Amino acid sequence: KAGVTQTPRYLIKTRGQQVTLSCSPISGHRSVSWYQQTPGQGLQFLFEYFSETQRNKGNFPGRFSGRQFSNSRSEMNVSTLELGDSALYLCASSLGQGVLTEAFFGQGTRLTVV
Amino acid sequence: SQQGEEDPQALSIQEGENATMNCSYKTSINNLQWYRQNSGRGLVHLILIRSNEREKHSGRLRVTLDTSKKSSSLLITASRAADTASYFCATDEATTDSWGKLQFGAGTQVVVTP
Repeated sequence: KAGVTQTPRYLIKTRGQQVTLSCSPISGHRSVSWYQQTPGQGLQFLFEYFSETQRNKGNFPGRFSGRQFSNSRSEMNVSTLELGDSALYLCASSLGQGVLTEAFFGQGTRLTVV
Repeated sequence: SQQGEEDPQALSIQEGENATMNCSYKTSINNLQWYRQNSGRGLVHLILIRSNEREKHSGRLRVTLDTSKKSSSLLITASRAADTASYFCATDEATTDSWGKLQFGAGTQVVVTP
């Protein structure tokens, strides 16, 4: 069974630009969650999607958005990039039914904003 | 904000020794998961323990959960150099708005020297 796939693995963007990251969950998993990891703040929850609906959202500005497609693949978008958005962005997939079961993570996308 | 705290922040041991790390959290949970992360890469799922379980084993890993003390511990027996990584605990809070959201601790950095 293929794992969680995130693309691209690395990105370098300029302040003010926007970026789109992609996540393909494990086959059969309908929930995708996104996290930001930085040395200062650790792992912070961004949002979660299930069956194309956002069910939960963390405390991030509106510049961070996401969506999920009918095949459960998800994208997150960050607009008007700031230097502080430099981070490792991780997505996790899980079955999504009821209480959270095992969540499996991708390798992450390393975003550098210059 | 982070749910839990991990102790110690760093641990250095020799191959063959056991490594123990602890995690404390603040709210009622549905379950607690432990992850490993190698040098800025993705999170590898190690084990999930449910709130009604007290102990769980998986290979060289032993996890305990004490919900009365809101704490968990991860024991790695007979450590190997390949166990060098950061270890995180993550909780699924027992609240109505916890869909797909894991609260992570700050992690314990483990270094195993040959």
